[in-house]
Amino acid sequence: GAVVSQHPSRVICKSGTSVKIECRSLDFQATTMFWYRQFPKQSLMLMATSNEGSKATYEQGVEKDKFLINHASLTLSTLTVTSAHPEDSSFYICSAPTLAGGANTGELFFGEGSRLTVL
Amino acid sequence: KNQVEQSPQSLIILEGKNCTLQCNYTVSPFSNLRWYKQDTGRGPVSLTIMTFSENTKSNGRYTATLDADTKQSSLHITASQLSDSASYICVVGNYGQNFVFGPGTRLSVLP
Repeated sequence: GAVVSQHPSRVICKSGTSVKIECRSLDFQATTMFWYRQFPKQSLMLMATSNEGSKATYEQGVEKDKFLINHASLTLSTLTVTSAHPEDSSFYICSAPTLAGGANTGELFFGEGSRLTVL
Repeated sequence: KNQVEQSPQSLIILEGKNCTLQCNYTVSPFSNLRWYKQDTGRGPVSLTIMTFSENTKSNGRYTATLDADTKQSSLHITASQLSDSASYICVVGNYGQNFVFGPGTRLSVLP
């Protein structure tokens, strides 16, 4: 079964509103989670690394104030798209790694993704 | 610069045929290489994980190979099925929490 749960799977909102997407690790604790954005027929683009108990690390070009990330517990990270606009419409995916030693060879589980459509 | 390249960009095969997808990387230091299958509109699902010391790993009809010297990997799909139609993503990890994603290969299996 799925070990990373993402909710909602689909969301439609009006321009200017904010949308929150949740990512939960169900069977393990994740001190780190990753958030990606994927446009049609393109690869996943890492947006930010969510760190439990500290600030998220954003990739270059990703607006911190636009995409708010909160990793309040060892099993939950949230991504809030603030003041959403049509160009924010995309497929957002989270992932969480299970560490296996310092070599980072554990599993990297992905959520099922959230399709955001901004009207 | 850490990069992962995949070829071909897209591939169309007939059901029952075999195919091989390629992944070349320049990620350093290298820790592990993963292959994922992503169905349209879904999250990626892990197929194989290989570390530096492993040169082949199988998961059912999927067999991945790794040549750490040439920094190349391949994913071989045997006796393809319609459900194999998906994007296949090569992901290379280095030490820490860094993963570099390839652009993926879109595979279409036709009846």
